[in-house]
Amino acid sequence: ETGVTQTPRHLVMGMTNKKSLKCEQHLGHNAMYWYKQSAKKPLELMFVYNFKEQTENNSVPSRFSPECPNSSHLFLHLHTLQPEDSALYLCASSQNPLAGGRETQYFGPGTRLLVL
Amino acid sequence: GQQLNQSPQSMFIQEGEDVSMNCTSSSIFNTWLWYKQDPGEGPVLLIALYKAGELTSNGRLTAQFGITRKDSFLNISASIPSDVGIYFCAGQGSMNYGGSQGNLIFGKGTKLSVKP
Repeated sequence: ETGVTQTPRHLVMGMTNKKSLKCEQHLGHNAMYWYKQSAKKPLELMFVYNFKEQTENNSVPSRFSPECPNSSHLFLHLHTLQPEDSALYLCASSQNPLAGGRETQYFGPGTRLLVL
Repeated sequence: GQQLNQSPQSMFIQEGEDVSMNCTSSSIFNTWLWYKQDPGEGPVLLIALYKAGELTSNGRLTAQFGITRKDSFLNISASIPSDVGIYFCAGQGSMNYGGSQGNLIFGKGTKLSVKP
């Protein structure tokens, strides 16, 4: 248990569906991240939020829409996805270095997404 | 952009043997992290290194932050079956070194398999 939880753990969706992934951290951190992990590829950073503000969008297609209502919760809204979007989506959290904390990131267990 | 070269990609070892893996980069990092990922789970932080030359142990694991700030290694002593998994290195830059928001850059992983 790393203090970062993700739901659902598994998700199968069609290309016309709309779904959301949820992440919650219980570590008192103020930075949260979404990563995509595909087979045989390094972890790809998608979005970064610091103090609820999006500070990085790593050229992610608009069919992925993040939302960060507070420092403890992070969502990834999915719509009209493609089969190549099937992957493990990982959430992570850390302290924000501007707040004087270490940037060490702690990961959730991930959501295994399959797009049909 | 910044890239990490992690080697070896995979290794098979006998139980009880020592294991060594490393990461190198052409860029300078100010933090090196080592994670382990089990199937269907998110990466779990093993060791964090924050200072050049730092040598840190966590049980049978030992990791070092290279003096040049461009490399790190992880050693596992007396391997056991539960050491099986994928080990990732991650480097973190900073604005001072041209990093983007100090985000993590991941290696492609070393897959460890242990013969019982």
